[in-house]
Amino acid sequence: QVQLVESGGGVVQPGGSLRLSCAVSGFTFSTYGMHWVRQAPGKGLEWVSFIRYDGSDQYYADSVKGRFTISRDNFKNTLYLQMNSLRPEDTAMYYCVRNWNYGDSWGQGTLVTVSS
Amino acid sequence: EIVLTQSPGTLSLSPGESATLSCRASQSISSSYLAWYQQKPGQAPRLLIYGASSRATGIPHRFSGGGSGTDFTLTISRLEPEDFAVYYCQQYGSSSWTFGQGTKVEIK
Repeated sequence: QVQLVESGGGVVQPGGSLRLSCAVSGFTFSTYGMHWVRQAPGKGLEWVSFIRYDGSDQYYADSVKGRFTISRDNFKNTLYLQMNSLRPEDTAMYYCVRNWNYGDSWGQGTLVTVSS
Repeated sequence: EIVLTQSPGTLSLSPGESATLSCRASQSISSSYLAWYQQKPGQAPRLLIYGASSRATGIPHRFSGGGSGTDFTLTISRLEPEDFAVYYCQQYGSSSWTFGQGTKVEIK
């Protein structure tokens, strides 16, 4: 069955960096566009970034542009999110999500806390 | 950027009643790119409806979606105890997503 498993979250100081990973299985990863979506504690869903199936193009929310980088390794069936210059407002659960137009499969999320 | 506004913010209903949730877009969007999700506490969102009216795999028939242009609805007929949750609409455009702020369906 389709599985998406995020990892790499944790507590980091403002200005710090983290790299999130999303290991997938149960489907042909190299044929799907992938997104990162986040949810601050007690808040709604916020789209973060999208990468095309082949990694040829990447897109970002204005709130993370220039600080976050999405990438993928289609041989390792893994999606990444490199997060630099982290701010307290980046504190959230981060989900990886399959598919380009609607999210038909979601991981369980990894929690990122930015605090001094 | 297209803004999605959901109403009401909270819906208080009893099991067995029907729920109608609204999602209004700031400009017309293609029905193909409108989806609905359910999220329960401590869980990831789950896709319910895509293409405005198509049920995702395994979603019960009591969930139905409709609408076009700027006005979309999610209807839950005969609420079951497991349906009390938060519901989000989402649209796709220009390789990005936007979400509504959510509607909480709570037990009255």
